Amino acid sequence: AQSVAQPEDQVNVAEGNPLTVKCTYSVSGNPYLFWYVQYPNRGLQFLLKYITGDNLVKGSYGFEAEFNKSQTSFHLKKPSALVSDSALYFCAVRDNRGRRALTFGSGTRLQVQP
Amino acid sequence: EPEVTQTPSHQVTQMGQEVILRCVPISNHLYFYWYRQILGQKVEFLVSFYNNEISEKSEIFDDQFSVERPDGSNFTLKIRSTKLEDSAMYFCASSEGQGAHETQYFGPGTRLLVL
Repeated sequence: AQSVAQPEDQVNVAEGNPLTVKCTYSVSGNPYLFWYVQYPNRGLQFLLKYITGDNLVKGSYGFEAEFNKSQTSFHLKKPSALVSDSALYFCAVRDNRGRRALTFGSGTRLQVQP
Repeated sequence: EPEVTQTPSHQVTQMGQEVILRCVPISNHLYFYWYRQILGQKVEFLVSFYNNEISEKSEIFDDQFSVERPDGSNFTLKIRSTKLEDSAMYFCASSEGQGAHETQYFGPGTRLLVL
């Protein structure tokens, strides 16, 4: 069975500082990895994904994520946080064996302080 | 930019009543999904739908649930006899149908409250 762990319920960072939101996964076969963001009273918005190739993936709003196969991690990063980045971030995984169901982590609330 | 839309945004119902949640997927997408998020918990997969039939479902998706694409645009989730534990945010999603690597795009959700 596939699973995702987001070890931090909340991450606090000052505006302008770099941010990291952690994600580790477990899946049979090769993973397809996704990050979504949820703003209050909104749906899940796609940020970026890793399918294959370059381990560093760039996405929307200046976010990027690094795939590390040996550590089974897919941490979300941004070099300089904005107050408007404050939201709930979800990591999700799917295997490459044909199933389409996404398995989500529990989410990490990012709070960027001015 | 095309979006997945869902109606209603909020629904309150009495236990035992039937509810239908509606979704309009992105127009050229072929795969449709329902997920739910109980308050404070993870987003959980319910069902995927392709070519007018269920392609995959989770153990949560029991006989109380059904999905339908009644016309060329809508995709619905029906809960026949709601229980208190069905209270959750229900998200619809759609994808192009190019393969498991593709992105699923989510709607804003319907918040269901069962009293």
